[in-house]
Amino acid sequence: DVKVTQSSRYLVKRTGEKVFLECVQDMDHENMFWYRQDPGLGLRLIYFSYDVKMKEKGDIPEGYSVSREKKERFSLILESASTNQTSMYLCASTSADTQYFGPGTRLTVL
Amino acid sequence: GQSLEQPSEVTAVEGAIVQINCTYQTSGFYGLSWYQQHDGGAPTFLSYNALDGLEETGRFSSFLSRSDSYGYLLLQELQMKDSASYFCAVIHTDKLIFGTGTRLQVFP
Repeated sequence: DVKVTQSSRYLVKRTGEKVFLECVQDMDHENMFWYRQDPGLGLRLIYFSYDVKMKEKGDIPEGYSVSREKKERFSLILESASTNQTSMYLCASTSADTQYFGPGTRLTVL
Repeated sequence: GQSLEQPSEVTAVEGAIVQINCTYQTSGFYGLSWYQQHDGGAPTFLSYNALDGLEETGRFSSFLSRSDSYGYLLLQELQMKDSASYFCAVIHTDKLIFGTGTRLQVFP
């Protein structure tokens, strides 16, 4: 079974803090993705990566950056968290045409 | 740009059949996928259509018409556990573009 894990299920941070969200997959997938999910807006792609040290902007990259130093790990970074970044963050990796999602991190920025 | 439209909410009773439609506008279309997400859970893959026609997997079927830029997910013999959100997603080059989701509520 493919397993995608995320470092935290719930996270509370203060405005201006630097936030790291970690994602690890155990199936040697090349492609990994970060989404945020908000009510009524569905899943919106923030960044994705095709390989180690490669990254591509998604639809809403502003305020975020990513790091892919190892194939199995894809990190999302909020350089200076803001209240409008309060959301559910979902990581996924891809095999063929199927995306496998992690359990999500619910981030609250106060 | 790319866009997908699906109804925001659908209700049905146990044992019934429900169809969730999805229309899309996109360039570089490779296929249409469907994902299910229960409250508090992560999306899970249901089906994928690359070609026109119907794909059946147990109680769930998915249909695609590329000429109409349209697809649907058909759920038969509805069960309470089918209450969830359902997302259609277009496979666009190497990424997925998701619709905003349809919340299905199944009543006894």
